[in-house]
Amino acid sequence: DTGVSQNPRHKITKRGQNVTFRCDPISEHNRLYWYRQTLGQGPEFLTYFQNEAQLEKSRLLSDRFSAERPKGSFSTLEIQRTEQGDSAMYLCASSTHRLYEQYFGPGTRLTVT
Amino acid sequence: GEDVEQSLFLSVREGDSSVINCTYTDSSSTYLYWYKQEPGAGLQLLTYIFSNMDMKQDQRLTVLLNKKDKHLSLRIADTQTGDSAIYFCAESPFGAGSYQLTFGKGTKLSVIP
Repeated sequence: DTGVSQNPRHKITKRGQNVTFRCDPISEHNRLYWYRQTLGQGPEFLTYFQNEAQLEKSRLLSDRFSAERPKGSFSTLEIQRTEQGDSAMYLCASSTHRLYEQYFGPGTRLTVT
Repeated sequence: GEDVEQSLFLSVREGDSSVINCTYTDSSSTYLYWYKQEPGAGLQLLTYIFSNMDMKQDQRLTVLLNKKDKHLSLRIADTQTGDSAIYFCAESPFGAGSYQLTFGKGTKLSVIP
């Protein structure tokens, strides 16, 4: 399977704990995006990387959120001191020189209890 | 700013055509997309159109764009039960740098056998 992969697929955590998600983009895709999707809504943009550089962050990305893409391949999204409002599906997408084609992974569903 | 709106529900009989509508507000050159999301899954890119085009056809899918009214539609011919899903309209401004997608809330298509 050469699609975008995300791990874990599901995460249940208690309020106040830290969580980290991983995204592996399609091989050779140099752009990587994170989105958040809450129930009944469309995905909302969080941040994007071109290679290892984080070039844009949404105002939705509070200081409890941090994303990295250290070698320009996989990316991690960490949420510190989780809150119930962080419960959502976290989606990763990647694209290459055909910038207008973003391919999404299956998502990580986070539940904060 | 960008805003994308869609009707929330559509119900059709198997074999009929489905038409899902979307309006957007961004006035700059833009790419417009249709994604499909099945329960618990990520988003599947169905098709996209650049704002200088009026129509695009891809097998059972036809995209129509009315740039003057900022209205986009997706027609699915010979709708099948496997087409039951949520369909998201999205836009991305061309030349703005990040190509982040702005999504509507999605239209839930129910296909009645």
